[in-house]
Amino acid sequence: EAQVTQNPRYLITVTGKKLTVTCSQNMNHEYMSWYRQDPGLGLRQIYYSMNVEVTDKGDVPEGYKVSRKEKRNFPLILESPSPNQTSLYFCASSFESPRVLPIQETQYFGPGTRLLVL
Amino acid sequence: GENVEQHPSTLSVQEGDSAVIKCTYSDSASNYFPWYKQELGKGPQLIIDIRSNVGEKKDQRIAVTLNKTAKHFSLHITETQPEDSAVYFCAVPTAGSARQLTFGSGTQLTVLP
Repeated sequence: EAQVTQNPRYLITVTGKKLTVTCSQNMNHEYMSWYRQDPGLGLRQIYYSMNVEVTDKGDVPEGYKVSRKEKRNFPLILESPSPNQTSLYFCASSFESPRVLPIQETQYFGPGTRLLVL
Repeated sequence: GENVEQHPSTLSVQEGDSAVIKCTYSDSASNYFPWYKQELGKGPQLIIDIRSNVGEKKDQRIAVTLNKTAKHFSLHITETQPEDSAVYFCAVPTAGSARQLTFGSGTQLTVLP
């Protein structure tokens, strides 16, 4: 089954304790992305990756890191979590269209990770 | 950057009635307009999209209309059913990017039986 998986689904942690949220897709997608969802603010992009070893900042990258060592995995790292990073996090992936005529492709979202930072 | 406004933030309709959600955007170069549905406890899922070369697209009970001159597009759901209850997000390509999407703030649709 084609899917995007995230782990853990729920996490409670304390300020300053490093954590990693994993994301994996089995669709051979080049493009992967992390979003956070907060009430009244919709989905805001944190980081994205166009392919292996290629990552870039989204709209709200502060306090987060990512890596893309393999095509299927795109972990989100919080080196020193703070309470304002309490949120619902989604990973997404999509095909990368040809560079000559790039078009938007459907993004497939994972089930979400609910994070509470105390 | 791109500015996307979505209205209303909440919408309640009686089962069988129609629901309309509207989004406005700022970048006139935008050419792709998807709508995502997020059911409780799940990630958003694409339900319909439209590209700028057409003004309307329909898929069974859902349709999207686009007015490029006025820079707005709308999601129309007819004959609503309880399973249509969810949060709906519009999105547009982030200005200057061929891949990123800027999402609206979401609409909580409740279909009352």
